[in-house]
Amino acid sequence: EIVLTQSPGTLSLSPGERATLSCRASQSVSSNYLAWYQQKPGQAPRLLIYGASSRATGIPDRFSGSGSGTDFTLTISRLEPEDFAVYYCQQYSISPPTFGQGTKVEIK
Amino acid sequence: QLQLQESGPGLVKPSETLSLTCTVSGGSISSSNYYWGWIRQPPGKGLEWIGNISYSGSTYYNPSLKSRVTISVDTSKNQFSLKLSSVTAADTAVYYCARLDGYIAAYWGQGTLVTVSS
Repeated sequence: EIVLTQSPGTLSLSPGERATLSCRASQSVSSNYLAWYQQKPGQAPRLLIYGASSRATGIPDRFSGSGSGTDFTLTISRLEPEDFAVYYCQQYSISPPTFGQGTKVEIK
Repeated sequence: QLQLQESGPGLVKPSETLSLTCTVSGGSISSSNYYWGWIRQPPGKGLEWIGNISYSGSTYYNPSLKSRVTISVDTSKNQFSLKLSSVTAADTAVYYCARLDGYIAAYWGQGTLVTVSS
């Protein structure tokens, strides 16, 4: 199975700053079959990005995804207070679908 | 608006079978465009794909759980279900049901915590 490694484990930033989250795969993720989810405490994850760079319905354009092969990035251009959460990447290129361990974006 | 709701016992004894149901409202489970899946999250940890099913009953199970998992669908009730046998404390988790676009979890239930303990 594909192992996804997210970095950093925790990102401490202030509102208005730019956040850059990394997701590295143990083997190539074909067709850019990579998604990003946001999870707040006590809530289910919410789909943000699919196909590495396509925003899901209703997701603000401050969220963007990029990358290919084994290296992918989620960028939040200017952090809003509601963006402080845990973010997971997921690959769906090779079964079983797998998730990274998460990056927590916390208020500095 | 599509909604999914998990239901089932919150406490299961070791070696017994965990059983959960996901009720779908605001949309038909019989749509051929989607799969329906189960994903779990142990307390304080990451997400694990359990498996998924189509409206016609075609299933996929994570190989790590395949020997213990059964997912079924009841289109007449707009529900799908999860059974996980021979549970241990390692199966303690929040269990989510989701509507899948391929293997993308676009819509999630709120999740239900299942604790395995005697």
